[in-house]
Amino acid sequence: EVLLVESGGGLVQPGGSLRVSCAASGFPFSSSYMSWVRQAPRRGLEWVANMNQDGSFIDYVDSVKGRFTISRDNAKNSLYLQMNSLSAEDTAVYYCAIGGNYWSSWGQGTLVTVSS
Amino acid sequence: EIVLTQSPGTLSLSPGERATLSCRASQTVPSNYLAWYQQKPGQAPRLLIYFASRRATGIPDRFSGSGSGTDFSLTISSLEPEDFAVYYCQHHGYSPLNFGGGTKVEIK
Repeated sequence: EVLLVESGGGLVQPGGSLRVSCAASGFPFSSSYMSWVRQAPRRGLEWVANMNQDGSFIDYVDSVKGRFTISRDNAKNSLYLQMNSLSAEDTAVYYCAIGGNYWSSWGQGTLVTVSS
Repeated sequence: EIVLTQSPGTLSLSPGERATLSCRASQTVPSNYLAWYQQKPGQAPRLLIYFASRRATGIPDRFSGSGSGTDFSLTISSLEPEDFAVYYCQHHGYSPLNFGGGTKVEIK
């Protein structure tokens, strides 16, 4: 069974940093493109970043470029998103998902709230 | 950047009825790189359709996708109680991988 479990969300002050993680199991993680997608409260979906199998191809939505960093550890079957210089506009549920350009399986998400 | 506009915003239908959801792109979607997702309250999205008309694994055949160029649609041939949800289209051709604003299918 495919399982994606996000963690690391929480309350952070504007300008602060947070790293969210995604633990993957039940599929060949090291052979899979992976992505982060977010959803602001009561809002639609927004793709954030994606990364290919060995990390040689990475892409971000413009609004997070220079602030967010996607990474992975294939030995640990884990995906990460380091978020810096956070603002209220980054408040959202962050989902880890399998795939690069469309997403076949999703985790349950972790909520990141940016507020003073 | 491709902007996707979904209509209607809300669709009120009864179980057993046919639902047709529209997704219009601001420019041609290359190679029909268009996906559809279903999202229920408190849950993650679920992939239904990709490449405009290919059903994802395990998706019932009452869900079908069609269209090309700038106009795409998702059809649910006969609504089941579990189909009442929000549906999003998304183009998967190139960055940024934008979503539409969603269509809510609610029970009439």
